[in-house]
Amino acid sequence: GENVEQHPSTLSVQEGDSAVIKCTYSDSASNYFPWYKQELGKRPQLIIDIRSNVGEKKDQRIAVTLNKTAKHFSLHITETQPEDSAVYFCAASINIPTFGRGTSLIVHP
Amino acid sequence: DSGVTQTPKHLITATGQRVTLRCSPRSGDLSVYWYQQSLDQGLQFLIQYYNGEERAKGNILERFSAQQFPDLHSELNLSSLELGDSALYFCASSPWEGGGLGYTFGSGTRLTVV
Repeated sequence: GENVEQHPSTLSVQEGDSAVIKCTYSDSASNYFPWYKQELGKRPQLIIDIRSNVGEKKDQRIAVTLNKTAKHFSLHITETQPEDSAVYFCAASINIPTFGRGTSLIVHP
Repeated sequence: DSGVTQTPKHLITATGQRVTLRCSPRSGDLSVYWYQQSLDQGLQFLIQYYNGEERAKGNILERFSAQQFPDLHSELNLSSLELGDSALYFCASSPWEGGGLGYTFGSGTRLTVV
């Protein structure tokens, strides 16, 4: 089955800095890559996604890049704000999404 | 409010007991997925139902079972509970049979086994 590795497990940045979270996947048939944000005690919420026929997608301060050849994809957050502090999960999906273990992002004011 | 309703929000029970978690999907969604989230394991897929039928199985223990009813709500039954079953249990719903698109998570049920 699919295996998704996510790094780093914890990321601490200063407000205004950029943050990058990286994921690799094992099954080349995966064709959909969503990212979820989970605030403390709350449900995971989709923040951005990308399909395998697209290399990059941007939505305001967040962007996702996909390298199908290398089987890795990344989340980029620019101009981080304290409210970006949360756990971020990547996932890779053919049929059922397989999630990475999460990255705890801490943005210091 | 995501439209996916999970009850109860919190559950405390003793080892060896049995509990039932309930999930009502978003209106119009036919698929329900169950996930277990523990501190060291992230989000682990347990099982999927689509329009009343089991569609996919993940790392679900034999002590756990689920079903989806004609009104599309789903129940996850956990029996012979162990301390290690303490976790957040999320359900998600989507309109489609697979693919991962359109996933909406509920707010979860926090299960504590003592």
